[in-house]
Amino acid sequence: AQSVTQPDIHITVSEGASLELRCNYSYGATPYLFWYVQSPGQGLQLLLKYFSGDTLVQGIKGFEAEFKRSQSSFNLRKPSVHWSDAAEYFCAVGATGGYNKLIFGAGTRLAVHP
Amino acid sequence: DAGITQSPRHKVTETGTPVTLRCHQTENHRYMYWYRQDPGHGLRLIHYSYGVKDTDKGEVSDGYSVSRSKTEDFLLTLESATSSQTSVYFCAISETGGYGYTFGSGTRLTVV
Repeated sequence: AQSVTQPDIHITVSEGASLELRCNYSYGATPYLFWYVQSPGQGLQLLLKYFSGDTLVQGIKGFEAEFKRSQSSFNLRKPSVHWSDAAEYFCAVGATGGYNKLIFGAGTRLAVHP
Repeated sequence: DAGITQSPRHKVTETGTPVTLRCHQTENHRYMYWYRQDPGHGLRLIHYSYGVKDTDKGEVSDGYSVSRSKTEDFLLTLESATSSQTSVYFCAISETGGYGYTFGSGTRLTVV
């Protein structure tokens, strides 16, 4: 069965510092992988997605993620964090069979210090 | 989000009462999903639909039912609300399923 693990529940970084949010997945075949962001009181917005091809994926708001098959990971990165990046981030994996449900991780809450 | 609307946005209800949440889309997408979001659990799938009158259970379906009589509407019903169903409920739509979703703004439900 598919599963997603986000090992860090909370992360705090200083504004301008680099950021890496970890995501590990369990899935037998090549997965579809996603990162979503949720600002307080809002719905989820898609940051980026990986289906195939280049393992480094660029997304919106200056985020990128790298798919590493050997490590079953899809970590999200940003070189310089802005105060507006404070939010909760969710990694998700989608199956290629069935009705393509997305399985979400528990989320990582990011706080940004000025 | 444009193209997907959830109603109501907030609701407080009493234990034992029935509650229906509505998800309405204008994108004509085939797939629709209901998730609940709880701290420490992320989003968990309740039910989903892959077409009109075609629905199936997700991982946390007990106590919930759904209906989809039109492409644009997906209803989630709590037959007899319990305090454990206090949560934020999100609807999502997708044209192609696993290629990613568009989410609604959520419904915050409190069962007292």
